[in-house]
Amino acid sequence: RKEVEQDPGPFNVPEGATVAFNCTYSNSASQSFFWYRQDCRKEPKLLMSVYSSGNEDGRFTAQLNRASQYISLLIRDSKLSDSATYLCVVNAPPSNTGKLIFGQGTTLQVKP
Amino acid sequence: DGGITQSPKYLFRKEGQNVTLSCEQNLNHDAMYWYRQDPGQGLRLIYYSQIVNDFQKGDIAEGYSVSREKKESFPLTVTSAQKNPTAFYLCASSRNRGNTEAFFGQGTRLTVV
Repeated sequence: RKEVEQDPGPFNVPEGATVAFNCTYSNSASQSFFWYRQDCRKEPKLLMSVYSSGNEDGRFTAQLNRASQYISLLIRDSKLSDSATYLCVVNAPPSNTGKLIFGQGTTLQVKP
Repeated sequence: DGGITQSPKYLFRKEGQNVTLSCEQNLNHDAMYWYRQDPGQGLRLIYYSQIVNDFQKGDIAEGYSVSREKKESFPLTVTSAQKNPTAFYLCASSRNRGNTEAFFGQGTRLTVV
């Protein structure tokens, strides 16, 4: 089993749609969770951290379910500019190593 | 502006040659990382360093070497022992060894010719 698993997609959605991505992680001792966005042939950029209580940033909402060991990202009112690959990132315990594990990524294509 | 700078952006290497990829950060971050990304795949950790003069192997360290003589610099050498070095190499840094997010440089595309 991969340490961090994502559905690679692609997810093809029309503008204005709501789309959700899930990510599962294998190590229950992981403490930090993030979503990154990566555009084609570019470096990943931090989209948002994921907190236990869930958090929202504009059209983006991240949720963490520790019991089931999954993280979700919800994008509302999709824009053409949201087209990218979304990477789920989890820290590898013990937390003091600073080691991060990246999922394969989920590709989103927003169509006009 | 604070950030992470990787150079060169594109690099071509002949088989059997060693090449060194540069990574510099002025964010005053303690931890630095090197990842490799192949087409259609996720990032795989090559090496990481939590403090100066210390570094650890990641998941695919064979054929690579690093040094961390200064806090702001973490160069990666791709040696001739690396059998399939063509890839996109990403350097990242984070504030400390704890649970903090990482920030990336723009990457170096290495091609073996």
